Amino acid sequence: QLQLQESGPGLVKPSETLSLTCTVSGGSISSSSYYWGWIRQPPGKGLEWIGSIYYSGSTYYNPSLKSRVTISVDTSKNQFSLKLSSVTAADTAVYYCARQDMVQGVNWFDPWGQGTLVTVSS
Amino acid sequence: DIQMTQSPSSLSASVGDRVTITCRASQSISSYLNWYQQKPGKAPKLLIYAASSLQSGVPSRFSGSGSGTDFTLTISSLQPEDFATYYCQQSYSTIFTFGPGTKVDIK
Repeated sequence: QLQLQESGPGLVKPSETLSLTCTVSGGSISSSSYYWGWIRQPPGKGLEWIGSIYYSGSTYYNPSLKSRVTISVDTSKNQFSLKLSSVTAADTAVYYCARQDMVQGVNWFDPWGQGTLVTVSS
Repeated sequence: DIQMTQSPSSLSASVGDRVTITCRASQSISSYLNWYQQKPGKAPKLLIYAASSLQSGVPSRFSGSGSGTDFTLTISSLQPEDFATYYCQQSYSTIFTFGPGTKVDIK
């Protein structure tokens, strides 16, 4: 059974860079069938897609965050990572990683990691 | 970006009730629409993909319909474990967007 687990600091100072890693177990991140995505959810609010990556390293990002986001993949460790620079309090959220499946152009996220809360505060 | 709206934003229902949640896209998205369930403190769980396909392991009381701009998630007989927030998500555009959510609570 595929499982995803986010890890990284729970507290980041304003203007610094948020860094998270998602470790995939029970399956290979190098599968040609899937992308891998990051989604976030501010406390008490809705879901926002951040970006996605293919095992080859091909990425695409939400334009609203693109200037600050880098997603990378390490196939040897079965991990992919998120970096978000110049963070502010508005970036405080639960960050989820998820497998992105796609069939005939339809993309969905399943399964998801449990999520990790990142608070931006000095 | 394609904007997604949901109605109602919240509803109260009883066990056994038939519940319908609507999702509307700001432009036609064909059938590129998915539904998720999220319980407090938990990650979202995929229920329906491609507007009407039931994800493996999801109870058959959940169903989805619609195409174009208007979509519906129906729970045919609400169960205690179904009290949660439900989100729609479009993938017609590669800028994926989610609806604001519909909270279903106990009447």
